Amino acid sequence: EVVLTQSPATLSLSPGERATLSCRASQSVSDYLAWYQQKPGQAPRLLIYDASSRATGIPARFRGSGSATDFTLTITSLEPEDFAVYYCQQRANWPITFGQGTRLEIK
Amino acid sequence: QLRLQESRPGLVKPSETLSLTCAVSGASITRSTYYWAWMRQPPGKGLEWIGTISYSGTAYYSPSLKSRVTISVDTSKTQFSLKLSAVTAADTAVYYCARGVNKYSWFDSWGQGALLTVSS
Repeated sequence: EVVLTQSPATLSLSPGERATLSCRASQSVSDYLAWYQQKPGQAPRLLIYDASSRATGIPARFRGSGSATDFTLTITSLEPEDFAVYYCQQRANWPITFGQGTRLEIK
Repeated sequence: QLRLQESRPGLVKPSETLSLTCAVSGASITRSTYYWAWMRQPPGKGLEWIGTISYSGTAYYSPSLKSRVTISVDTSKTQFSLKLSAVTAADTAVYYCARGVNKYSWFDSWGQGALLTVSS
């Protein structure tokens, strides 16, 4: 099973700042990595799939990068609605697994 | 507009079987390019993939739950279902249904979630 380790666990930033979230895989997942955003009481929302492709309707400030074992989600300029929990997910190896999440909070 | 709706949340007793359905509207459940999945999220914790099923009924399960899980699809009712047997308190979670674009997939649409509590 591929273990995805996200860092940091919590990130405290202000609106307008740049956020950089990391996801590291225990073995190569090629570019088969997705990112989700989850707000309290809501279902996860797909942001990025296959490492760098934005899902439908996702603003351009969300950027995914990386390959193999190291991936990054960058939010170039934080908007108030971006403060949430972010999860990565791999689909390269069975079973599908998720990271433990990074909480992005307002500083 | 695709919409997925889990059946009502509820209370299940330990050792019993948890049953949930996901009603799909706005898209054809029989379209071969789509797969239908269940995930869960214990309170305050992260996400866990439970399993995925194709429109034709081929199911893929998480190894950690495989012995207790059955996922089925009812194309006539445009819904798919989850059964989890011999539940314990550790199975208390919000259960989500979702759509994938292949059997090893990301998930582009999710239901709003249903909280299932295991308690006597």
